Amino acid sequence: SAVISQKPSRDICQRGTSLTIQCQVDSQVTMMFWYRQQPGQSLTLIATANQGSEATYESGFVIDKFPISRPNLTFSTLTVSNMSPEDSSIYLCSTRDGYTFGSGTRLTVV
Amino acid sequence: GENVEQHPSTLSVQEGDSAVIKCTYSDSASNYFPWYKQELGKGPQLIIDIRSNVGEKKDQRIAVTLNKTAKHFSLHITETQPEDSAVYFCAGGGTSYGKLTFGQGTILTVHP
Repeated sequence: SAVISQKPSRDICQRGTSLTIQCQVDSQVTMMFWYRQQPGQSLTLIATANQGSEATYESGFVIDKFPISRPNLTFSTLTVSNMSPEDSSIYLCSTRDGYTFGSGTRLTVV
Repeated sequence: GENVEQHPSTLSVQEGDSAVIKCTYSDSASNYFPWYKQELGKGPQLIIDIRSNVGEKKDQRIAVTLNKTAKHFSLHITETQPEDSAVYFCAGGGTSYGKLTFGQGTILTVHP
């Protein structure tokens, strides 16, 4: 199974700003997934990122708010744009190779 | 799309007892059902999984059963230990699109 490293592990951001989260995988993978976990809640899929094509967003998530890049088969970024306190969550990436997760990015918006 | 329901939301057991968590799914095309353990401040850790061509899978104290006809699957933990205390999530999916839908989670507390 793929081993996933995620950065940053946590951050506190001002409302109205943006944060880019990085996800690095130790092997080449076709699909990468970005999830959001709101406080005390389950995981909700934001989008699926394939290399060489635009990400596919789930209902309720839009590219302007959560732009995703997938420049190669081992790396992806998720940006949380124009943040509000409601964006305070844990953001996680995963892959189809073993369906393992990174340790997550704990975001607090103040 | 897929819908996964998980029960119970909380489960409290004594050390040494067994714990069972159940999930149902809606999409008969789903073929992959993993279980995750999440400890405070950490990402979900895959603890066991099962594919639709298998009815049961065991790994030491942990087992998962799948009933495709009824569209439900269960996690069984035997001889529970305090370190088993965590939030457990089931998930279903894994079709050609690869994405998973998660259950709501179960907070398991094992009392010494």
